[in-house]
Amino acid sequence: KAGVTQTPRYLIKTRGQQVTLSCSPISGHRSVSWYQQTPGQGLQFLFEYFSETQRNKGNFPGRFSGRQFSNSRSEMNVSTLELGDSALYLCASSLSAREQYFGPGTRLTVT
Amino acid sequence: GQQLNQSPQSMFIQEGEDVSMNCTSSSIFNTWLWYKQDPGEGPVLLIALYKAGELTSNGRLTAQFGITRKDSFLNISASIPSDVGIYFCAGQERSSGTYKYIFGTGTRLKVLA
Repeated sequence: KAGVTQTPRYLIKTRGQQVTLSCSPISGHRSVSWYQQTPGQGLQFLFEYFSETQRNKGNFPGRFSGRQFSNSRSEMNVSTLELGDSALYLCASSLSAREQYFGPGTRLTVT
Repeated sequence: GQQLNQSPQSMFIQEGEDVSMNCTSSSIFNTWLWYKQDPGEGPVLLIALYKAGELTSNGRLTAQFGITRKDSFLNISASIPSDVGIYFCAGQERSSGTYKYIFGTGTRLKVLA
């Protein structure tokens, strides 16, 4: 069974631009969570989607948004990029609340 | 943002040695997960724990769910060079029928051949 896939793997953007990241969960998994990983703050929860509904949200500004499609694929969008948004963005999928599997991440660099 | 305390932060060990690390929280969790992350990759799930006092093994790895439900431990026996990486714990926080995971600060393991 294929694992969680994320595209693109690397991205360079300029301050003020917006970016969209994509995540395809493991087949059959309906829950998708997004995390931001930085050296200073570690792994921080952004939001979780289940059956196209945002079920939980972390403490990030409204510039960070997401959505989930009927096939469980999810996208995350960051608008008006800031230098501090440079990070590894990780997507994780779950079949149940008992486990969570991560994708390889998207490395976003904001210049 | 919220993070769990993991210790040690980093450790150098000789190949063949056993390794112990732990994760503590001020909150009670229902589930603990342990992950390993290699540079440039996403975390890989190693072990999942669901009950206080539970001890679970995965090859040379053994993890325990603390009795107080506020801590968890990971042991690696007979370390090998490929054990190098960052190990993260994650505690599951439940609220209003939903859940999210809070991650530890990580333990960086370096194995000397």
